[in-house]
Amino acid sequence: NAGVTQTPKFRILKIGQSMTLQCTQDMNHNYMYWYRQDPGMGLKLIYYSVGAGITDKGEVPNGYNVSRSTTEDFPLRLELAAPSQTSVYFCASRTGRGASGNTIYFGEGSWLTVV
Amino acid sequence: AQSVTQPDIHITVSEGASLELRCNYSYGATPYLFWYVQSPGQGLQLLLKYFSGDTLVQGIKGFEAEFKRSQSSFNLRKPSVHWSDAAEYFCAVANNFNKFYFGSGTKLNVKP
Repeated sequence: NAGVTQTPKFRILKIGQSMTLQCTQDMNHNYMYWYRQDPGMGLKLIYYSVGAGITDKGEVPNGYNVSRSTTEDFPLRLELAAPSQTSVYFCASRTGRGASGNTIYFGEGSWLTVV
Repeated sequence: AQSVTQPDIHITVSEGASLELRCNYSYGATPYLFWYVQSPGQGLQLLLKYFSGDTLVQGIKGFEAEFKRSQSSFNLRKPSVHWSDAAEYFCAVANNFNKFYFGSGTKLNVKP
């Protein structure tokens, strides 16, 4: 029952450092998403992918990069961390097939602080 | 562009009282609507969804929501709130399902 797994759960970065948030799902879902959640702002879509090898920008992509080399994995890269990227990051996925294909499943979140 | 508005940031209700959380959306075509719940330190869990058909949809944990096209609303209701319902609730709308847009959330407090 792994579902969507994100690592790390907590991380503190210094300004200018880089890091990768890992996301993997074991449900063979085609669609994967990265959201950030800021207090009082709801969830904002950073990037999404409709399948291996295909990614596209969401609402707030600046400062991030993604790749989707496999169906299972969808890592989010921060190249030059900035304080504005302090947030909670959620990875999510959905199958896109069948009656429940449009239900999104979320990971438990990654808390990132940039100081 | 799609957008979702949840006008209430915080709501406090007494245990056993009824609950209604408001959600208004902006979307040109037939929307696909969702309610999610988030407990502290956790990810989001789907409560219910509306794609088509009956405008009153039932979800888990005794929640229901009603789609009203004329009001562009998808309000979440529960007849009797339990202390365990204290959480943050998010309304979401999807276009062709590639992109999901979330409201800013409503935090529910439950008084004993």
